[in-house]
Amino acid sequence: AQKITQTQPGMFVQEKEAVTLDCTYDTSDPSYGLFWYKQPSSGEMIFLIYQGSYDQQNATEGRYSLNFQKARKSANLVISASQLGDSAMYFCAMRDGTDSWGKLQFGAGTQVVVTP
Amino acid sequence: SAVISQKPSRDICQRGTSLTIQCQVDSQVTMMFWYRQQPGQSLTLIATANQGSEATYESGFVIDKFPISRPNLTFSTLTVSNMSPEDSSIYLCSVGGQGRTDTQYFGPGTRLTVL
Repeated sequence: AQKITQTQPGMFVQEKEAVTLDCTYDTSDPSYGLFWYKQPSSGEMIFLIYQGSYDQQNATEGRYSLNFQKARKSANLVISASQLGDSAMYFCAMRDGTDSWGKLQFGAGTQVVVTP
Repeated sequence: SAVISQKPSRDICQRGTSLTIQCQVDSQVTMMFWYRQQPGQSLTLIATANQGSEATYESGFVIDKFPISRPNLTFSTLTVSNMSPEDSSIYLCSVGGQGRTDTQYFGPGTRLTVL
């Protein structure tokens, strides 16, 4: 069963504007972690931000923030002041207690293109 | 965060041959993971490799096709055996996942093309 859903296959955003990438998840485990990764065309996976299910506040890391709405099971990534270097594929991922090895389950990804 | 390196970074191989991918971490880690990313797709976990025990494979992946070694706490290899064009993918090793809150870090990936 699909646990992570990213409904936006691709997005265009103008430089210096903010962009929100959607992510919804499904789990019955009350303890879980949500992750966002950036994958440039080079193929590496770059960790951006983490949100724990028990965290009281939304996570922030520099220009990245996570809009965590637990009741709606959504964990949207907000990139503020977009830069040309933000053009990449973005993946939402989740780890929950159904897998003792801590396997990450990934969404399909969203391709972001930042235009001048 | 762990620094992870992979060799080779890319390769072009003929069908029917095998390729071994190496993953080296700059610190000792308990669990290492191998992922596959087929063109235009998301990441799929192949197997989890613990030092001193056999790797645990996910559904759809078998040891004969993807044998894994984990000789110590900083190194692992993944072999893609008897390759076909469908094996053309990016293969990534990853470390982390000691607990649900642990960040999982990825190596730079090996881009494999099978002709």
